[in-house]
Amino acid sequence: AQKITQTQPGMFVQEKEAVTLDCTYDTSDQSYGLFWYKQPSSGEMIFLIYQGSYDEQNATEGRYSLNFQKARKSANLVISASQLGDSAMYFCAMREGGGGSYIPTFGRGTSLIVHP
Amino acid sequence: GAGVSQSPSNKVTEKGKDVELRCDPISGHTALYWYRQSLGQGLEFLIYFQGNSAPDKSGLPSDRFSAERTGGSVSTLTIQRTQQEDSAVYLCASSWLGQGITDTQYFGPGTRLTVL
Repeated sequence: AQKITQTQPGMFVQEKEAVTLDCTYDTSDQSYGLFWYKQPSSGEMIFLIYQGSYDEQNATEGRYSLNFQKARKSANLVISASQLGDSAMYFCAMREGGGGSYIPTFGRGTSLIVHP
Repeated sequence: GAGVSQSPSNKVTEKGKDVELRCDPISGHTALYWYRQSLGQGLEFLIYFQGNSAPDKSGLPSDRFSAERTGGSVSTLTIQRTQQEDSAVYLCASSWLGQGITDTQYFGPGTRLTVL
Protein backbone atom coordinates (compact mmCIF):
# COMPACT_ATOMS: atom_id res chain seq x y z
CA ALA A 1 0.00 0.00 0.00
CA GLN A 2 1.16 3.50 -0.76
CA LYS A 3 2.23 5.49 2.26
CA ILE A 4 1.36 8.82 0.66
CA THR A 5 -1.66 9.16 -1.62
CA GLN A 6 -2.44 12.19 -3.70
CA THR A 7 -5.66 11.39 -5.51
CA GLN A 8 -5.88 14.50 -7.69
CA PRO A 9 -3.59 14.22 -10.70
CA GLY A 10 -4.67 17.66 -11.87
CA MET A 11 -6.47 20.65 -10.39
CA PHE A 12 -7.65 23.91 -11.88
CA VAL A 13 -8.41 27.11 -9.99
CA GLN A 14 -9.29 30.66 -10.87
CA GLU A 15 -6.82 33.34 -9.90
CA LYS A 16 -7.53 34.79 -6.43
CA GLU A 17 -9.59 31.77 -5.42
CA ALA A 18 -8.54 29.28 -2.74
CA VAL A 19 -7.68 25.68 -3.61
CA THR A 20 -7.19 22.54 -1.55
CA LEU A 21 -4.76 19.81 -2.61
CA ASP A 22 -5.42 16.46 -0.98
CA CYS A 23 -2.91 14.21 0.75
CA THR A 24 -3.62 11.11 2.80
CA TYR A 25 -0.97 9.06 4.51
CA ASP A 26 -0.55 5.65 6.02
CA THR A 27 1.66 4.98 9.01
CA SER A 28 1.54 3.04 12.26
CA ASP A 29 4.02 5.41 13.90
CA GLN A 30 2.76 7.91 16.46
CA SER A 31 5.57 10.29 15.58
CA TYR A 32 5.85 11.56 12.01
CA GLY A 33 6.34 14.71 9.99
CA LEU A 34 4.48 15.84 6.88
CA PHE A 35 5.93 18.12 4.22
CA TRP A 36 4.64 19.85 1.12
CA TYR A 37 6.84 20.84 -1.81
CA LYS A 38 6.17 22.88 -4.93
CA GLN A 39 7.83 22.01 -8.21
CA PRO A 40 7.41 24.68 -10.92
CA SER A 41 8.25 23.97 -14.53
CA SER A 42 11.86 24.93 -13.83
CA GLY A 43 12.16 21.63 -11.96
CA GLU A 44 13.41 22.66 -8.53
CA MET A 45 11.54 21.26 -5.53
CA ILE A 46 10.70 24.12 -3.16
CA PHE A 47 9.84 23.38 0.47
CA LEU A 48 6.55 25.03 1.44
CA ILE A 49 5.29 23.88 4.81
CA TYR A 50 5.73 21.31 7.59
CA GLN A 51 3.33 19.70 10.05
CA GLY A 52 4.41 17.44 12.92
CA SER A 53 2.16 14.70 14.20
CA TYR A 54 2.20 16.19 17.69
CA ASP A 55 1.48 19.74 16.57
CA GLU A 56 -1.90 20.82 17.91
CA GLN A 57 -2.24 23.76 15.57
CA ASN A 58 -2.48 23.56 11.81
CA ALA A 59 0.70 24.86 10.20
CA THR A 60 0.53 28.11 8.28
CA GLU A 61 3.10 29.83 6.11
CA GLY A 62 1.90 32.93 4.34
CA ARG A 63 -0.77 31.92 1.83
CA TYR A 64 -0.17 28.23 2.56
CA SER A 65 -1.88 26.36 5.34
CA LEU A 66 -2.14 22.71 6.17
CA ASN A 67 -5.50 21.21 7.07
CA PHE A 68 -4.26 18.44 9.35
CA GLN A 69 -6.85 15.84 10.33
CA LYS A 70 -4.94 13.24 12.32
CA ALA A 71 -7.80 10.79 12.83
CA ARG A 72 -8.46 10.72 9.10
CA LYS A 73 -4.74 10.65 8.32
CA SER A 74 -5.01 13.56 5.96
CA ALA A 75 -2.78 16.60 5.50
CA ASN A 76 -4.33 18.73 2.81
CA LEU A 77 -2.57 21.84 1.53
CA VAL A 78 -4.70 24.95 1.24
CA ILE A 79 -3.50 27.78 -0.96
CA SER A 80 -5.42 30.98 -0.44
CA ALA A 81 -5.76 33.76 -3.01
CA SER A 82 -4.17 31.74 -5.84
CA GLN A 83 -1.70 33.48 -8.09
CA LEU A 84 -0.60 32.61 -11.61
CA GLY A 85 2.82 31.75 -10.19
CA ASP A 86 1.25 29.00 -8.10
CA SER A 87 0.88 26.88 -11.24
CA ALA A 88 3.15 23.93 -10.54
CA MET A 89 3.32 20.33 -9.35
CA TYR A 90 2.78 19.86 -5.64
CA PHE A 91 4.17 16.92 -3.69
CA CYS A 92 3.24 15.69 -0.24
CA ALA A 93 5.89 13.78 1.74
CA MET A 94 6.22 12.06 5.10
CA ARG A 95 9.00 11.17 7.49
CA GLU A 96 8.13 8.43 9.96
CA GLY A 97 9.57 8.44 13.44
CA GLY A 98 10.19 4.75 13.89
CA GLY A 99 13.36 3.17 12.60
CA GLY A 100 15.21 6.40 12.04
CA SER A 101 13.04 8.00 9.30
CA TYR A 102 16.01 8.31 6.99
CA ILE A 103 14.20 8.38 3.66
CA PRO A 104 11.03 10.45 3.29
CA THR A 105 8.18 8.99 1.26
CA PHE A 106 6.73 11.16 -1.51
CA GLY A 107 3.34 11.08 -3.17
CA ARG A 108 2.91 11.10 -6.96
CA GLY A 109 2.04 14.78 -6.98
CA THR A 110 -0.82 17.01 -8.08
CA SER A 111 -0.58 19.39 -11.01
CA LEU A 112 -2.16 22.76 -10.25
CA ILE A 113 -3.05 25.21 -12.99
CA VAL A 114 -4.17 28.70 -12.04
CA HIS A 115 -6.33 30.43 -14.65
CA PRO A 116 -6.40 34.23 -15.01
CA GLY B 1 25.57 30.12 -2.46
CA ALA B 2 23.08 29.30 0.25
CA GLY B 3 21.20 26.53 -1.53
CA VAL B 4 21.92 23.13 -3.01
CA SER B 5 23.64 23.38 -6.37
CA GLN B 6 23.91 20.80 -9.12
CA SER B 7 25.93 20.61 -12.28
CA PRO B 8 25.54 20.39 -15.14
CA SER B 9 22.01 21.68 -15.47
CA ASN B 10 21.60 19.76 -18.72
CA LYS B 11 23.51 16.82 -20.11
CA VAL B 12 23.02 15.18 -23.47
CA THR B 13 24.97 12.00 -24.08
CA GLU B 14 25.06 9.07 -26.41
CA LYS B 15 23.93 5.62 -25.41
CA GLY B 16 26.78 3.67 -23.89
CA LYS B 17 28.73 6.67 -22.60
CA ASP B 18 29.43 7.31 -18.92
CA VAL B 19 28.17 10.46 -17.20
CA GLU B 20 28.93 12.16 -13.91
CA LEU B 21 26.47 14.41 -12.12
CA ARG B 22 27.59 16.66 -9.29
CA CYS B 23 25.82 17.92 -6.19
CA ASP B 24 26.99 20.56 -3.71
CA PRO B 25 24.82 20.41 -0.59
CA ILE B 26 24.04 23.22 1.79
CA SER B 27 27.02 23.88 4.01
CA GLY B 28 26.72 22.02 7.31
CA HIS B 29 24.10 19.55 6.13
CA THR B 30 25.18 16.04 7.04
CA ALA B 31 22.68 14.17 4.88
CA LEU B 32 22.55 14.03 1.09
CA TYR B 33 20.02 12.27 -1.13
CA TRP B 34 19.81 11.51 -4.84
CA TYR B 35 16.48 11.06 -6.60
CA ARG B 36 15.44 10.41 -10.17
CA GLN B 37 12.32 11.89 -11.73
CA SER B 38 11.15 10.66 -15.10
CA LEU B 39 8.92 12.91 -17.20
CA GLY B 40 5.64 13.55 -15.44
CA GLN B 41 6.42 11.11 -12.65
CA GLY B 42 7.11 11.29 -8.95
CA LEU B 43 10.44 11.02 -7.19
CA GLU B 44 12.36 7.76 -7.22
CA PHE B 45 14.85 7.45 -4.37
CA LEU B 46 18.33 6.38 -5.46
CA ILE B 47 20.88 6.73 -2.65
CA TYR B 48 21.35 8.39 0.74
CA PHE B 49 24.49 9.54 2.54
CA GLN B 50 24.64 10.55 6.19
CA GLY B 51 27.87 11.71 7.76
CA ASN B 52 30.49 8.99 7.79
CA SER B 53 27.97 6.14 7.77
CA ALA B 54 27.79 3.63 4.96
CA PRO B 55 25.42 4.95 2.28
CA ASP B 56 21.98 3.48 1.75
CA LYS B 57 22.16 2.28 -1.85
CA SER B 58 18.85 0.45 -1.79
CA GLY B 59 17.30 2.60 -4.52
CA LEU B 60 19.98 2.26 -7.17
CA PRO B 61 18.29 0.59 -10.17
CA SER B 62 21.32 -1.30 -11.44
CA ASP B 63 25.04 -1.74 -10.92
CA ARG B 64 25.61 0.85 -13.65
CA PHE B 65 24.72 3.47 -11.05
CA SER B 66 27.12 4.48 -8.31
CA ALA B 67 27.67 7.51 -6.13
CA GLU B 68 30.26 8.83 -3.77
CA ARG B 69 30.46 11.68 -1.35
CA THR B 70 33.87 13.12 -0.71
CA GLY B 71 34.79 14.83 2.54
CA GLY B 72 31.21 14.68 3.73
CA SER B 73 30.24 17.38 1.27
CA VAL B 74 30.20 17.20 -2.52
CA SER B 75 28.63 14.13 -4.11
CA THR B 76 28.99 12.67 -7.57
CA LEU B 77 26.46 10.31 -9.15
CA THR B 78 27.98 8.22 -11.93
CA ILE B 79 26.00 6.34 -14.54
CA GLN B 80 28.04 3.94 -16.64
CA ARG B 81 27.09 2.72 -20.10
CA THR B 82 24.03 4.96 -20.20
CA GLN B 83 20.79 3.65 -21.66
CA GLN B 84 17.87 5.59 -23.09
CA GLU B 85 15.74 4.68 -20.07
CA ASP B 86 18.21 6.61 -17.90
CA SER B 87 16.88 9.83 -19.41
CA ALA B 88 15.34 11.78 -16.53
CA VAL B 89 15.90 14.67 -14.17
CA TYR B 90 18.29 13.79 -11.37
CA LEU B 91 17.57 15.72 -8.19
CA CYS B 92 19.87 16.10 -5.23
CA ALA B 93 18.70 17.14 -1.76
CA SER B 94 20.42 17.78 1.52
CA SER B 95 19.20 18.02 5.09
CA TRP B 96 20.66 18.93 8.43
CA LEU B 97 20.48 15.62 10.23
CA GLY B 98 19.22 12.94 7.88
CA GLN B 99 16.84 11.63 10.47
CA GLY B 100 14.06 12.77 12.74
CA ILE B 101 10.56 13.78 11.81
CA THR B 102 11.35 17.47 11.49
CA ASP B 103 14.41 17.14 9.29
CA THR B 104 13.59 19.07 6.10
CA GLN B 105 15.11 18.27 2.75
CA TYR B 106 16.21 21.12 0.50
CA PHE B 107 16.54 20.36 -3.17
CA GLY B 108 18.84 21.50 -5.92
CA PRO B 109 17.64 22.57 -9.38
CA GLY B 110 18.34 19.16 -10.86
CA THR B 111 20.29 17.85 -13.83
CA ARG B 112 18.28 16.95 -16.92
CA LEU B 113 19.92 13.95 -18.54
CA THR B 114 19.06 12.99 -22.10
CA VAL B 115 20.48 9.80 -23.55
CA LEU B 116 20.27 9.63 -27.33
